[in-house]
Parts: sequence; structure tokens; C-alpha cells
Amino acid sequence: EDQVTQSPEALRLQEGESSSLNCSYTVSGLRGLFWYRQDPGKGPEFLFTLYSAGEEKEKERLKATLTKKESFLHITAPKPEDSATYLCAVSGAQKLVFGQGTRLTINP
Amino acid sequence: DGGITQSPKYLFRKEGQNVTLSCEQNLNHDAMYWYRQDPGQGLRLIYYSQIVNDFQKGDIAEGYSVSREKKESFPLTVTSAQKNPTAFYLCASTPRDRDRPQHFGDGTRLSIL
Repeated sequence: EDQVTQSPEALRLQEGESSSLNCSYTVSGLRGLFWYRQDPGKGPEFLFTLYSAGEEKEKERLKATLTKKESFLHITAPKPEDSATYLCAVSGAQKLVFGQGTRLTINP
Repeated sequence: DGGITQSPKYLFRKEGQNVTLSCEQNLNHDAMYWYRQDPGQGLRLIYYSQIVNDFQKGDIAEGYSVSREKKESFPLTVTSAQKNPTAFYLCASTPRDRDRPQHFGDGTRLSIL
């Protein structure tokens, strides 16, 4: 069965303190891995798609990487406006599976 | 701007009542999806439709029903058979290619009166 596990569940950082969020997956036939950002009371907002191991994508302070077993979302020198829940989703041969998310809080 | 519109933003259901959540998209996407989001859990698929007049059950379809009479619209009805309907409901769409990311609306929060 396809599975996606995100860690940690919650992460609190000081402004400027870099860190990484993890998305571990087991899937038959990876077709794509997606990262989303979700603000409270809103729908997820698309950030990145990664298709193959070794691929990297960057956007402002965020960088997503992919291996055969996991993906990392690196956040460099975060600001309070980066506070949100970050969701990972994996598209396998059968369907799309979402992780439970990491709730990121950046304190000023 | 193209996007997905969900309404209402908040909805209250009385016991024994059916309620319908609206989802409209102007992205010209073929596929549309309904998810349920509960605290601490990933999004769970309720129903999806890849083409007009056709839809399939997802992982948690019991107590829900849908229709797809127009490409732009995919309403979800939460029936009285759904005993625990309190949740955040999200509608999404994609082009027919499943390798493309899903675009989401801003959700409807359903609560029990």
C-alpha cells in the first residue's frame, strides 16, 4: 500500500534559523511528488513538483529535493510569513496520497 | 483569473439533514476531486471525476454523493448517513494528466448544529 509520512509533525524556529522538513514515501511506480503550502482556513497552494531522484527545485527561501525514498523541503533564513502547514503528496501507479503535513511556525 | 470557487465558506448541518457543497472551476480542467481534511490527518479522497457524467468513489465515499453534469461544476452532498461530517472539505482539479499538480479551492468548513 502506498504511504507518505511527514516529519516532524510540528516545528518551531526563530526567524533566520534554517531547517528541513522530511517526506518519506513508499509507492509503486512514482509518477511525481508534490509540495504544497496551506495557511489556516485556506486550501493548499502548490509549490513544487519533483519527478525523479536527484531533482531539485527552488523558490525564494524554499528548496525541494528528491531521493528514491524521501523528499526534503529546505527552508533557508525563514521569515514569519513562511509560517504555514506544508503538505507532501505522492502520485503512484494507482492514486495520489497525501502526508499529514508539518506545521511550521517562525517566531520573529 | 482562473481558479476554483467553493461555497459556502461555513456550513451548519442539522441532524437528519442533507447539505450540498458547491465547487466551480474555470480552469478548463477535466478532472475534479473532493477531499476531507481532519486535524492531524492527511487529505482523504471522497469522490473524483475525470469526465462529465462519470465519477468514482474514493477511499471514504460512504455517506456522500456527487454529480458531474457540467465540466465546470462538481457539487458534493453530505447525506444524513454520514454520521461524523464535521470537517474541512476541499475541492481540487487537474488537467486529465494525473502527473500534473492539483489546484485547490479555499474549502468549506462543515459543522453539526
